[in-house]
Amino acid sequence: EIVMKQSPATLSVSPGERATLSCRASQSVSNNLAWYQQKRGQAPRLLIYGASTRATGIPARFSGSGSGTEFTLTISSLQSEDFAVYYCQQYNHWPMTFGQGTKVEIK
Amino acid sequence: EVQLVESGGGLIQPGGSLRLSCAASGFTVNSNHMSWVRQAPGEGLVWVSVIFTSGGTFYADSVKGRFTISRDNSKNTLYLQMNSLRAEDTAVYYCAKTPGPFDYWGQGTLVTVSS
Repeated sequence: EIVMKQSPATLSVSPGERATLSCRASQSVSNNLAWYQQKRGQAPRLLIYGASTRATGIPARFSGSGSGTEFTLTISSLQSEDFAVYYCQQYNHWPMTFGQGTKVEIK
Repeated sequence: EVQLVESGGGLIQPGGSLRLSCAASGFTVNSNHMSWVRQAPGEGLVWVSVIFTSGGTFYADSVKGRFTISRDNSKNTLYLQMNSLRAEDTAVYYCAKTPGPFDYWGQGTLVTVSS
């Protein structure tokens, strides 16, 4: 099973600032990496797939990069609605596995 | 518009059984891989099971032999039969369309296993 590790566990950011979230895979997942946003009490929402492709309706301030084992999600200018928990997930190998999440909170 | 609506959750005693349903609209369940993903209270996301377009199935080790995923094409509905439930199965269960990543999710249904 591929282990996904996210860092940091919590990120404190002021509105308007840039946020950078990291995700590392225990072995290569090529570019089969997705990012999700989850707000309290809601289902996760797909943000990025293929490591860097934004899903339908996702604002351009969200961007993804990386391949192999190292990936990054960047939110260029945090809006109030972006404070949430973010998960990475690999879908290159079964079982699909998620990182433990990064909570982005208001500084 | 794609929609997934789960139902069937509730409070169940350890060792009991429960069947979750996920009614789909806006697409055809048997033309897509479909998964169940769960989230224990305050915890992260864990993939549970998938049913492929071929009808083949795959399970996480933690539920293998206890859970069964299936679908009813006539009702365009996905199911998860959960037997021999344990306290550690307590979670919100989501169904998700699975082309690779999970692109559409239901709102989830809460399963609580407790005496």
